[in-house]
Amino acid sequence: KAGVTQTPRYLIKTRGQQVTLSCSPISGHRSVSWYQQTPGQGLQFLFEYFSETQRNKGNFPGRFSGRQFSNSRSEMNVSTLELGDSALYLCASSSGLAAETQYFGPGTRLLVL
Amino acid sequence: QQQVKQSPQSLIVQKGGISIINCAYENTAFDYFPWYQQFPGKGPALLIAIRPDVSEKKEGRFTISFNKSAKQFSLHIMDSQPGDSATYFCAAPTPGNTPLVFGKGTRLSVIA
Repeated sequence: KAGVTQTPRYLIKTRGQQVTLSCSPISGHRSVSWYQQTPGQGLQFLFEYFSETQRNKGNFPGRFSGRQFSNSRSEMNVSTLELGDSALYLCASSSGLAAETQYFGPGTRLLVL
Repeated sequence: QQQVKQSPQSLIVQKGGISIINCAYENTAFDYFPWYQQFPGKGPALLIAIRPDVSEKKEGRFTISFNKSAKQFSLHIMDSQPGDSATYFCAAPTPGNTPLVFGKGTRLSVIA
């Protein structure tokens, strides 16, 4: 079974721009969660989608948004980029309701200049 | 906010030694405690996990010890190898919910 894939792997943007990241979960998985990883804050939960609906949301500003498609693929968007948005963005998929089955992708490294 | 506090931040262990990483949690409703291993340039990978109905779980050289009364759990890596050098995260799922709450991570370096 193929693992979680994320595209692109690396991105360089400038302040004020917007960016869209993509995640393809493991086949059959219906839940996709997004996390932001930075050296200072560690891994922080952004949001989770299950069956095309946002089920949970972390404490991030409205500039961070996401969606999930009928094939469970998910995208996250960050608008009006700030320098502090530079981070590794990780996507995790799970088969159902249990958090313990979360499998992470390799992440997208975003650098905002 | 639910918290998981992890220590130490970094750890240097001689090859063949025992690596010990500790985590403390606050919410007694946490019912699952996974450990993730992350290598540079990779996403976290589930290493081993435990439920609070057992006090210890062992998989190869990796052991989780769980102390429910102290609200602590720890990861022991026996016979540590240079290939174990990575960042380790403890985590717990928000009760009745999906998002994982992560510790800040421990950077382990195993030196020959």
